Amino acid sequence: QQQVKQSPQSLIVQKGGISIINCAYENTAFDYFPWYQQFPGKGPALLIAIRPDVSEKKEGRFTISFNKSAKQFSLHIMDSQPGDSATYFCAASSDFNKFYFGSGTKLNVKP
Amino acid sequence: GAGVSQSPSNKVTEKGKDVELRCDPISGHTALYWYRQRLGQGLEFLIYFQGNSAPDKSGLPSDRFSAERTGESVSTLTIQRTQQEDSAVYLCASSMIAGGYEQYFGPGTRLTVT
Repeated sequence: QQQVKQSPQSLIVQKGGISIINCAYENTAFDYFPWYQQFPGKGPALLIAIRPDVSEKKEGRFTISFNKSAKQFSLHIMDSQPGDSATYFCAASSDFNKFYFGSGTKLNVKP
Repeated sequence: GAGVSQSPSNKVTEKGKDVELRCDPISGHTALYWYRQRLGQGLEFLIYFQGNSAPDKSGLPSDRFSAERTGESVSTLTIQRTQQEDSAVYLCASSMIAGGYEQYFGPGTRLTVT
């Protein structure tokens, strides 16, 4: 059973547009939700993370929106740039011993 | 460098051979994680170390997989009698509990079983 479901699988956005990636989870014990960015040939790098006690967290152009009742969270990339083109993964953890990752979204920002 | 390093970066092996993958975490990081990433897919959690102990090994795909960590530092992931389905990128990450559990990933080892 997939613990974290991520959509869409791929996304094409024009430069300056908003990229939105969604994730859903089932385990209500999850209490830490990070997003990772991965460039080809590199390991993932932490982008932004949220705890369920807040509904939104913003860092620069990146925002996480969190809906606890719906068990969903999403990543918004404002003013998307070609340099943002990468694969994005959401993840969830309840005890920091195990992290469950989504299947990834390949973002392509067209100039 | 100060980041997580992994070796080798690439490994091609014949089916049935054993392989060892190495991870050098960031100095002082007490937690260490191994993941498997198949082509075009997400990360699959394999095992977690707190210090030199692995409290939960249930993520290891089969008994052909084992891992150890020594000196609260280097970790080795061993795959015995490799199979073609073991072909993937194996990623290691480390974190400091006091630092809020942010995981720092290494570049991975690309394993190809022929």
